[in-house]
Amino acid sequence: QSVLTQPPSVSGAPGQRVTISCTGSSSNIGAGYDVHWYQQLPGTAPKLLIYGNSNRPSGVPDRFSGSKSGTSASLAITGLQAEDEADYYCQSYDSSLFWVFGGGTKLTVL
Amino acid sequence: QVQLVQSGAEVKKPGASVKVSCKASGYTFTSYGISWVRQAPGQGLEWMGWISAYNGNTNYAQKLQGRVTMTTDTSTSTAYMELRSLRSDDTAVYYCARVYQSAVATHWGQGTLVTVSS
Repeated sequence: QSVLTQPPSVSGAPGQRVTISCTGSSSNIGAGYDVHWYQQLPGTAPKLLIYGNSNRPSGVPDRFSGSKSGTSASLAITGLQAEDEADYYCQSYDSSLFWVFGGGTKLTVL
Repeated sequence: QVQLVQSGAEVKKPGASVKVSCKASGYTFTSYGISWVRQAPGQGLEWMGWISAYNGNTNYAQKLQGRVTMTTDTSTSTAYMELRSLRSDDTAVYYCARVYQSAVATHWGQGTLVTVSS
């Protein structure tokens, strides 16, 4: 059972918008700690997608955006493309557990 | 460009130890930390711990305390993760990652598969 809760799967058709939620608690996201998102394409290492709740590293398309409110955060992907099919993980800091990850969400592009 | 290159796959028997290396290049090694994250087959990401490459300070995941040791060699810009008393449920891909401000993994190694089997 992961400390951060994500839906196991989401799906969308090419061109659509999908969102992935990440729910924590008062000891992590709700305590004000930043949320970061990683994309893991099949068979590869994770890659940083969003850092500090809503910032994109250079090279990440602006189709990807992040937000945070209260004890939750969200990743939004607009203009869905086949190459976006991957697993997505949220990560934050917890006051007693240090780093915590969400269980991961598998995105399927229909 | 930032690169983290990990050592090759390992097969170990239960009760043995494994030591995985992570050689960094393309940045000032001592300016960042290194986290280790593992991923069991078909499962999610699990944080194992963090080490400061500046002063060697460490934080380990509670469930691995006493079995894991993380070290760095600043002369070769290499980080190491040793896991002892291996069990079958330690079978996983082990990743090192460069960490910014103790908070976020900006770059990842390619991963090292450790298989624990009798």
